[in-house]
Amino acid sequence: SQELEQSPQSLIVQEGKNLTINCTSSKTLYGLYWYKQKYGEGLIFLMMLQKGGEEKSHEKITAKLDEKKQQSSLHITASQPSHAGIYLCGAATSGTYKYIFGTGTRLKVLA
Amino acid sequence: DVKVTQSSRYLVKRTGEKVFLECVQDMDHENMFWYRQDPGLGLRLIYFSYDVKMKEKGDIPEGYSVSREKKERFSLILESASTNQTSMYLCASSLPKYPPHNEQFFGPGTRLTVL
Repeated sequence: SQELEQSPQSLIVQEGKNLTINCTSSKTLYGLYWYKQKYGEGLIFLMMLQKGGEEKSHEKITAKLDEKKQQSSLHITASQPSHAGIYLCGAATSGTYKYIFGTGTRLKVLA
Repeated sequence: DVKVTQSSRYLVKRTGEKVFLECVQDMDHENMFWYRQDPGLGLRLIYFSYDVKMKEKGDIPEGYSVSREKKERFSLILESASTNQTSMYLCASSLPKYPPHNEQFFGPGTRLTVL
């Protein structure tokens, strides 16, 4: 079965630093979704990538999907305390409406 | 504005109790989902519904059942709660489409503790 691996599992950075979170699949990704979750709350949609080589940005967050569509990265530039939370990648599974999710990356930004 | 609501943010129940978790969406979505989220395990799909009265088992349906009598409402039922069902439960909804139009919208979650 298809699985998503996220790395790192947790990350502590100083405010103003850049960081990258990775999401890797053993199979071709049909659609890749990035969500952010504040501690103890629901998931907020950030971005969706579908095409190989695609890149999207929203404010200081950039997500990319590699050409083979098996790996995605989420990059935060000049991190701020408001970026703290859990980042999850999710992928649509071919032929169904269901997603699978990575285990999440817990980000802490020190002021 | 898109909205998925869940009946409780926090719930404490005793072992053996019957527990109902309610989810309501106002987006006229056909698809609705129930997940549980546990540290180190990520989100795991419990049940999925693609239409009223239709349901499909997810990856971990044991110990759970669901009900979808109306399009906007999807209920998760724990027939006899056990301590290993202590978890964060998340509901989501989506259109019956494939990428890129099948974004799932999530509710705020219910943190259930079973004593």
